[in-house]
Amino acid sequence: AQKVTQAQTEISVVEKEDVTLDCVYETRDTTYYLFWYKQPPSGELVFLIRRNSFDEQNEISGRYSWNFQKSTSSFNFTITASQVVDSAVYFCALVQGGSEKLVFGKGTKLTVNP
Amino acid sequence: EAQVTQNPRYLITVTGKKLTVTCSQNMNHEYMSWYRQDPGLGLRQIYYSMNVEVTDKGDVPEGYKVSRKEKRNFPLILESPSPNQTSLYFCASSLGSKPHQPQHFGDGTRLSIL
Repeated sequence: AQKVTQAQTEISVVEKEDVTLDCVYETRDTTYYLFWYKQPPSGELVFLIRRNSFDEQNEISGRYSWNFQKSTSSFNFTITASQVVDSAVYFCALVQGGSEKLVFGKGTKLTVNP
Repeated sequence: EAQVTQNPRYLITVTGKKLTVTCSQNMNHEYMSWYRQDPGLGLRQIYYSMNVEVTDKGDVPEGYKVSRKEKRNFPLILESPSPNQTSLYFCASSLGSKPHQPQHFGDGTRLSIL
């Protein structure tokens, strides 16, 4: 079975604060793929990052960074110096290598206040 | 422009009146899928298709049908809609026959079943 848990339902920060969104996953496969998507208030779903299970290298893209740790089955997302435009719902997702199903977490709503 | 197009964007209808939500992609993607988004439940997969004439159930298929007669189209059919199918629906597509690549999402269809 595959499962994604985003324990933080809502987070509220003040602009310029750093914030980390947690994602914990469960899978029995050794091959799997993890994703993060952003859903701003306008409603569309935007792809942010994809990581496969064989690549544990952390990634940084501007103010965004991702920490993939197989030892703790986590794929956490950090926004540095948050901005109001970062306000959105963020989803973590998982697909096992042999599966055709993509499973999403319930999402974390991030509000960045000016 | 590469895109996934859903129609209609909004629909209010009554219980029992059959409806179809269309989904079309112009990227020649093999994998297509439908999700519903409900508050507190995140995105849940309804049905997916790995290629033409190949479809399978996701996690919440009850009350829905799909077909994949052409590669570009993947309509979602509600034969006898009920109020518990009131939701925000997203169609998505991706490269390959499995969802190992990033999903391209449509803009969403908001259905209200009275």
